[in-house]
Amino acid sequence: AQTVTQSQPEMSVQEAETVTLSCTYDTSENNYYLFWYKQPPSRQMILVIRQEAYKQQNATENRFSVNFQKAAKSFSLKISDSQLGDTAMYFCAFTERPRSNTGKLIFGQGTTLQVKP
Amino acid sequence: DTEVTQTPKHLVMGMTNKKSLKCEQHMGHRAMYWYKQKAKKPPELMFVYSYEKLSINESVPSRFSPECPNSSLLNLHLHALQPEDSALYLCASSHPLAGMDTQYFGPGTRLTVL
Repeated sequence: AQTVTQSQPEMSVQEAETVTLSCTYDTSENNYYLFWYKQPPSRQMILVIRQEAYKQQNATENRFSVNFQKAAKSFSLKISDSQLGDTAMYFCAFTERPRSNTGKLIFGQGTTLQVKP
Repeated sequence: DTEVTQTPKHLVMGMTNKKSLKCEQHMGHRAMYWYKQKAKKPPELMFVYSYEKLSINESVPSRFSPECPNSSLLNLHLHALQPEDSALYLCASSHPLAGMDTQYFGPGTRLTVL
């Protein structure tokens, strides 16, 4: 069975600094997708970044980048120049590239990130 | 445009009430999802619709009844709920073509069962 593990329940970072959130996963599949979602307090779950397993290049979206290590089954999120608005719960998620085209998302338990002024 | 809308934002209901949650997207997505989320926990998948047909039911109690009237709409009918059903209910959609499996979430309906 596929699993996603986020080993850091809570983290904090000073504004303008860099922070890295960890995620490991377990799967026997070769084709899959990995995601980081952000959920601010009482607000909507938003896609932060997406990585396709067959792509070796790490995905980047502005201040957000990932370190994808396929052999190690690791998918960490780096947030550069942290802003107060980055305060949120961050979920790492995994889905297979399914034949049925409706992939189940497997979520980690989440990491609560607080950005301090 | 990656907008999924959900109504109502908040809902309070008694255990004998019947109510419905509504989800709508106009992105041409053909897969839609219902999730239940408790505070500080990840979302738990309840149902998946693909091309308006129910494809996944994660052993959800029958007091939750999903409906997909068309490709843009997804409803969740609620009847005889229990207080432990109080949670944030999230809808999501995705385009079910290979390579486009990203799910986009709505803002959720916060349900309180008294």
